[in-house]
Amino acid sequence: GNSVTQMEGPVTLSEEAFLTINCTYTATGYPSLFWYVQYPGEGLQLLLKATKADDKGSNKGFEATYRKETTSFHLEKGSVQVSDSAVYFCALSELGYTGGFKTIFGAGTRLFVKA
Amino acid sequence: DADVTQTPRNRITKTGKRIMLECSQTKGHDRMYWYRQDPGLGLRLIYYSFDVKDINKGEISDGYSVSRQAQAKFSLSLESAIPNQTALYFCATSGTRSEGGTGELFFGEGSRLTVL
Repeated sequence: GNSVTQMEGPVTLSEEAFLTINCTYTATGYPSLFWYVQYPGEGLQLLLKATKADDKGSNKGFEATYRKETTSFHLEKGSVQVSDSAVYFCALSELGYTGGFKTIFGAGTRLFVKA
Repeated sequence: DADVTQTPRNRITKTGKRIMLECSQTKGHDRMYWYRQDPGLGLRLIYYSFDVKDINKGEISDGYSVSRQAQAKFSLSLESAIPNQTALYFCATSGTRSEGGTGELFFGEGSRLTVL
């Protein structure tokens, strides 16, 4: 079945450091890939997405490229801020036969950014 | 106002009590979901509903039931709560492909449940 594996946390960085959170997936078809972010005390919200191979999703300085050859969707940011401290979830979503999507989440990676 | 609203946001209860978590949405989506979040386990799907007449079990439905009262309302019940149901619960919605959806989920802010 489909699955998502992301690097374990917590990840602790100093402000302005470079961030990479690795995410790999297994899927039988052609899923869409997502990164969601959960700030303290809040629900998950979409950070970025990519719907086909070689697409790059980007938002708020974060980027991730859909790599079909390596089945990866690694999240990167060139210079993190304290306000980026949150839990990040990698997810894939595949269209089912009923027209709805089935989503699988990774375990989440907690990021702490120190001033 | 939030597009997906959950009540209550926090609840402490005792073993054996019946608990209902409610979710309402203004997204106009037919698809609604209940997830459970536990540390280190990500989100796991409890139940999902593709429309008012369609209810489906997710990967961890034992001990839970749901009701889809209307397109906009989807409630989750714990008939007899137990301590290992202590978790953060999220309601979510999504659009279908014909609605232009790409699989993105829209989440409520969560309901933190503690079972003593």
